[in-house]
Amino acid sequence: EADIYQTPRYLVIGTGKKITLECSQTMGHDKMYWYQQDPGMELHLIHYSYGVNSTEKGDLSSESTVSRIRTEHFPLTLESARPSHTSQYLCASSEFKGQGRETQYFGPGTRLLVL
Amino acid sequence: AQKVTQAQTEISVVEKEDVTLDCVYETRDTTYYLFWYKQPPSGELVFLIRRNSFDEQNEISGRYSWNFQKSTSSFNFTITASQVVDSAVYFCALSEENQGGKLIFGQGTELSVKP
Repeated sequence: EADIYQTPRYLVIGTGKKITLECSQTMGHDKMYWYQQDPGMELHLIHYSYGVNSTEKGDLSSESTVSRIRTEHFPLTLESARPSHTSQYLCASSEFKGQGRETQYFGPGTRLLVL
Repeated sequence: AQKVTQAQTEISVVEKEDVTLDCVYETRDTTYYLFWYKQPPSGELVFLIRRNSFDEQNEISGRYSWNFQKSTSSFNFTITASQVVDSAVYFCALSEENQGGKLIFGQGTELSVKP
């Protein structure tokens, strides 16, 4: 099981502010993911990374950006927050095993409210 | 295209009842993996089980059991003698061999266990 951390857990912020959601994992996992989840709804992949300096957009279009400078760290940034960005953001990581055999382990999530 | 369907949006049971959560999937791959995750009110996703497409043996872990049937493309989850702590949203997910470990989630089933 992975140890994966997200900060902050809750964030209330005004429109137009720049925010960065932090995600760190201590297991040395190669792969990391960001999901967006509206309350009571399914998860949608917005970004993923297969390793350092690798980032890809997910299935759901997002105005956020990500970076992967270190294996353990995968921050997500919104340059200008809007009310439509209000959601829960979940970070996950997995160890590369190929052929889709990886199990993703999730962090506790960040609940973002943009006023 | 790949898809996961959890037709039961909400289920309510009384403590000690058995309950089955349904999951039906669609995929064209012959090699794929199926998962169940639990999301309690605190928000994090907790990994419960992973099953590969070549292993149709049912799995039991304490009060939890999983029934995988390729013939009906189903991967159902049964909780025996449910407890209040089982109250959560449960997600079924699919990972295909050629999709780099990305998960496709179902819509989730909210289980409420009343004392």
